[in-house]
Amino acid sequence: RKEVEQDPGPFNVPEGATVAFNCTYSNSASQSFFWYRQDCRKEPKLLMSVYSSGNEDGRFTAQLNRASQYISLLIRDSKLSDSATYLCVVNGGGYQKVTFGTGTKLQVIP
Amino acid sequence: GAVVSQHPSWVICKSGTSVKIECRSLDFQATTMFWYRQFPKQSLMLMATSNEGSKATYEQGVEKDKFLINHASLTLSTLTVTSAHPEDSSFYICSAREQRTRHGTQYFGPGTRLTVL
Repeated sequence: RKEVEQDPGPFNVPEGATVAFNCTYSNSASQSFFWYRQDCRKEPKLLMSVYSSGNEDGRFTAQLNRASQYISLLIRDSKLSDSATYLCVVNGGGYQKVTFGTGTKLQVIP
Repeated sequence: GAVVSQHPSWVICKSGTSVKIECRSLDFQATTMFWYRQFPKQSLMLMATSNEGSKATYEQGVEKDKFLINHASLTLSTLTVTSAHPEDSSFYICSAREQRTRHGTQYFGPGTRLTVL
C-alpha cells in the first residue's frame, strides 16, 4: 500500500460545481497534513493545512479523519482558475518524513 | 508568506558537466530543506532532506555522490548534479521548513528546470 494515495483524476467539472477529493495515508503516526496546489510546470503552493477540527477558507474546506486515515478537500462553486493538480501532503512523525500524494488533477470547464 | 528562491530557474548543459542549484529562504530561517525532482506528468519525488550543518539524508535510489547537497547556513542549501546526463533532465524543486516548528509548513522554491544535452 502506498504511503499516500490519491485518485489521479482528471476530474472534469463545470463551473459552479462542487467537487471533493480524498487522500488516504497509511502511517497512523502521521502528524500534520496539507493540501497543495500545483499548476502545470510550476512549483506547489500551499492551499491549506488540515486540522482535526476541519478547516475552511472561503470556497475550500479540508477535513481530517484520523480513524479512517484520510483527508479530504471540498471545493464549492468551482472557478476556471481552480484548474490545477491538488497534492495531498502528509508529514510523518519526527522532523524528516514528508510524503506527497501523486496529485489529483482538476479541470473546471466553462 | 514565507519566500523561497531558487537559482537558476532554468539551465541547459552538456552531458558530463556539473550543475549547481541554489535554494534560499529569504525571510525566515530554515533548519530543514528538502530537494525534490519531478518528471513530466509525474508526482514530486523526494530526493533528500538537508539539515543545516549536517549531512543530507538521501532517499532510497538517490545517489549521494551524484547529487551533492550542502546546507551551510539556515538560509541556503545547494544541490550539485555532478556529471549530468540526459536522464537527469528534470524539474528540481527545493522547499524549506521554518525553524520554529517541527511540523511546520513547507514553502517551495519556484523550481529549476534542468536540460542535459
